[in-house]
Amino acid sequence: NAGVMQNPRHLVRRRGQEARLRCSPMKGHSHVYWYRQLPEEGLKFMVYLQKENIIDESGMPKERFSAEFPKEGPSILRIQQVVRGDSAAYFCASSTGGVGNTEAFFGQGTRLTVV
Amino acid sequence: KQEVTQIPAALSVPEGENLVLNCSFTDSAIYNLQWFRQDPGKGLTSLLLIQSSQREQTSGRLNASLDKSSGRSTLYIAASQPGDSATYLCAPSGGATNKLIFGTGTLLAVQP
Repeated sequence: NAGVMQNPRHLVRRRGQEARLRCSPMKGHSHVYWYRQLPEEGLKFMVYLQKENIIDESGMPKERFSAEFPKEGPSILRIQQVVRGDSAAYFCASSTGGVGNTEAFFGQGTRLTVV
Repeated sequence: KQEVTQIPAALSVPEGENLVLNCSFTDSAIYNLQWFRQDPGKGLTSLLLIQSSQREQTSGRLNASLDKSSGRSTLYIAASQPGDSATYLCAPSGGATNKLIFGTGTLLAVQP
């Protein structure tokens, strides 16, 4: 059973381009969480999704950021018109149920650099 | 709003020492708490999960305790090794959807 898979591991984008980050949860996991880690800062919650539903997006910036977890395929975090401040490590976690009850497992992250 | 504090921010110890990492959180209405380690440039590795009804969990040389009413958890590492060097993160569940809320971590260096 492979762990949580994130790709790409490293992504470089020029200002104004779009960034697409992918997360494939562990087999049997239907809950996905995205976190952002800025340099020298802690992990900040962004969004919580279940298949085809956004459960909690209270940590998502209101503009340029969106997330989806379709019925088939990986979860996608999309950042439009990237700016230098978007440079960070983005981590995805998955669990079988809500993390209020079950253990969460994290991927290796995608390190986004905006130049 | 759940806020998590970890003390100390950094710790350097010689190999073989037993050590304690502290975590405090402001909202005691949690469902569970997880401890993770993060190696530089890597993802998070889950170490221990403590349900709110439990007081402690053990895995090998690691023991985590939870005092939900006082908003505290401690991670005890016995007989520390250089391979234990990493950042240790505490994450209680919080908020309306019980997502994990992270502290800023304790950076541990175990000297050989």
